Amino acid sequence: GAVVSQHPSWVICKSGTSVKIECRSLDFQATTMFWYRQFPKQSLMLMATSNEGSKATYEQGVEKDKFLINHASLTLSTLTVTSAHPEDSSFYICSAREVISSYNSPLHFGNGTRLTVT
Amino acid sequence: DAKTTQPTSMDCAEGRAANLPCNHSTISGNEYVYWYRQIHSQGPQYIIHGLKNNETNEMASLIITEDRKSSTLILPHATLRDTAVYYCIVSGTASKLTFGTGTRLQVTL
Repeated sequence: GAVVSQHPSWVICKSGTSVKIECRSLDFQATTMFWYRQFPKQSLMLMATSNEGSKATYEQGVEKDKFLINHASLTLSTLTVTSAHPEDSSFYICSAREVISSYNSPLHFGNGTRLTVT
Repeated sequence: DAKTTQPTSMDCAEGRAANLPCNHSTISGNEYVYWYRQIHSQGPQYIIHGLKNNETNEMASLIITEDRKSSTLILPHATLRDTAVYYCIVSGTASKLTFGTGTRLQVTL
């Protein structure tokens, strides 16, 4: 089945530094990937839609200059949290869908990246 | 995307069938019903999805009412490993998924 891999699975960084999270579709190509964020005891919140070869689409209230998304290939999207602060500490999860013309395939999710900003 | 309503929590004895309900009364004709679950500190896991027919796979069965306003996810023989938050999501083809609060299923001995 379709596998989405995220790296790293956890990261600790100091306030003011930047952190890059990678999301790869391992056995399929994905023109679109989605980035979510989840705070403790809350549900997943969509942050942005990553489009291969074009600019990402951000949800309302998400700062595009703070959360930089690059979708350089059909199997890789990256999320960079710039100038991270403690309030950015969260669980970041990416997802992707294999495009099959005759089938409405589901989104598959990575195992998430837990970011802690100290 | 149509909104869904799920019970906040449910309990199920191990070995028994777990029936998780979901209401989606405002679902549109081209929207699918998706079920995912999230085990603590992991990414959501896809379970099953359907448009209007009942569906079954190795994990679960999905029963969608004829008017499509509600559905039930059935785990036929729940195990302790099925303890998770289960999300019912309604979405169009190739669209993003919007997560609600889900149902916290606790499987007990």
